[in-house]
Amino acid sequence: QVQLQESGPGLVKPSETLSLTCSVSGYSISSGYYWGWIRQPPGKGLEWIGSVYRSGSTNYNPSLKSRLTISVDTSRNQFSLKLSSVTAADTAVYYCARLTVTNGKLDYWGQGTLVTVSS
Amino acid sequence: QSALTQPPSASGSPGQSVTISCTGTSSDVGGYNYVSWYQHHPGKAPKLMIYEVRKRPSGVPDRFSGSKSGNTASLTVSGLQAEDEADYFCSSYAGSENYVFGTGTKVTVL
Repeated sequence: QVQLQESGPGLVKPSETLSLTCSVSGYSISSGYYWGWIRQPPGKGLEWIGSVYRSGSTNYNPSLKSRLTISVDTSRNQFSLKLSSVTAADTAVYYCARLTVTNGKLDYWGQGTLVTVSS
Repeated sequence: QSALTQPPSASGSPGQSVTISCTGTSSDVGGYNYVSWYQHHPGKAPKLMIYEVRKRPSGVPDRFSGSKSGNTASLTVSGLQAEDEADYFCSSYAGSENYVFGTGTKVTVL
């Protein structure tokens, strides 16, 4: 069974960089698929952040692109998110998921991790 | 891109049906047959229920069905059961390897 688990600091100061890692078990990232990040601010809907392929190729939400870096570490079977210059608007539950780009389905998700941006 | 519009809530008694709409534009829902639906029990990982408008992943009951007309997709849950009470949200491919999600609908089983 494919499982994903997000990890990282739950509190980040404004203007700093938010860093999260998604650890994948039950499937090797090197075998294929894209791997994505999604977030949900409190009381709001989900927002697509971006995705990464095993090769390191990425696709980013244009609204976040200037602050965003998504990378993959196939040796650790993990992929990561870095979002710089955060503000309170970046406070959200962050999810990682496995993505099939040909049809957009996200068939396995992590449980999500809350990241709060506050001084 | 703007979020897809869903009703905030929907409800039905056990055994009844409930239908949730997901309205977008010709740039997302109307432009591609790549609409997915997810079930989310708070605190748990979201679960894929429907993909490519109407396809069900293995293990998803056939009580769940999807459809699309123009810029609006729909999810119907027939024969409502207590465990169907959850948040549901849609998503659509929006071009250029980007995706857009719905605002979410809380389904209550009365």
